Amino acid sequence: SAVISQKPSRDICQRGTSLTIQCQVDSQVTMMFWYRQQPGQSLTLIATANQGSEATYESGFVIDKFPISRPNLTFSTLTVSNMSPEDSSIYLCSVELAGQYNEQFFGPGTRLTVL
Amino acid sequence: AQSVTQLGSHVSVSEGALVLLRCNYSSSVPPYLFWYVQYPNQGLQLLLKYTSAATLVKGINGFEAEFKKSETSFHLTKPSAHMSDAAEYFCAVEETSGSRLTFGEGTQLTVNP
Repeated sequence: SAVISQKPSRDICQRGTSLTIQCQVDSQVTMMFWYRQQPGQSLTLIATANQGSEATYESGFVIDKFPISRPNLTFSTLTVSNMSPEDSSIYLCSVELAGQYNEQFFGPGTRLTVL
Repeated sequence: AQSVTQLGSHVSVSEGALVLLRCNYSSSVPPYLFWYVQYPNQGLQLLLKYTSAATLVKGINGFEAEFKKSETSFHLTKPSAHMSDAAEYFCAVEETSGSRLTFGEGTQLTVNP
């Protein structure tokens, strides 16, 4: 397994502002993903974070709203831009570790509330 | 396209009773299947996974699941529920290694004393 940390763990933000969430892993990673979990709902994949190139976004998610960076193998950021109350969710990063295929490990999540 | 259906958004059992959480999937190829658990205010923890080896998979905390291709099911069971099992459980499918996970809607398990 691995230790996956996310910062911040939670935040309360004003409408129209942006928040950047960090995900750091202490092991070698092959794949990194960002998920959203809206209140009382399941997880939906936002995008796959690609090292050194643009993220691969799922249908319904766009780079302007959710810019993602992955400057190295073990670190990624997700920005939630121009926030509205509908963006209030838990945002989770997940990773697939080198040598441990077919298994995704999840970070603790960032609980975002937009007022 | 793949999809996951979890029957029953809420399941309530008595402590010591059998736990059965249902999951059915649809996939165009033999999938990889997972059960995750989410405790309140925490991230997801992997309970067990099926990756085309043995059809009966044993996981952590006494849980197990059986892959039944003919029924396209991957139900999660535990012979005797414990109070600490109260949590949200998610079934997920992955079509190929390293690809996206598609999650079911989740089942909230309540364990009554």
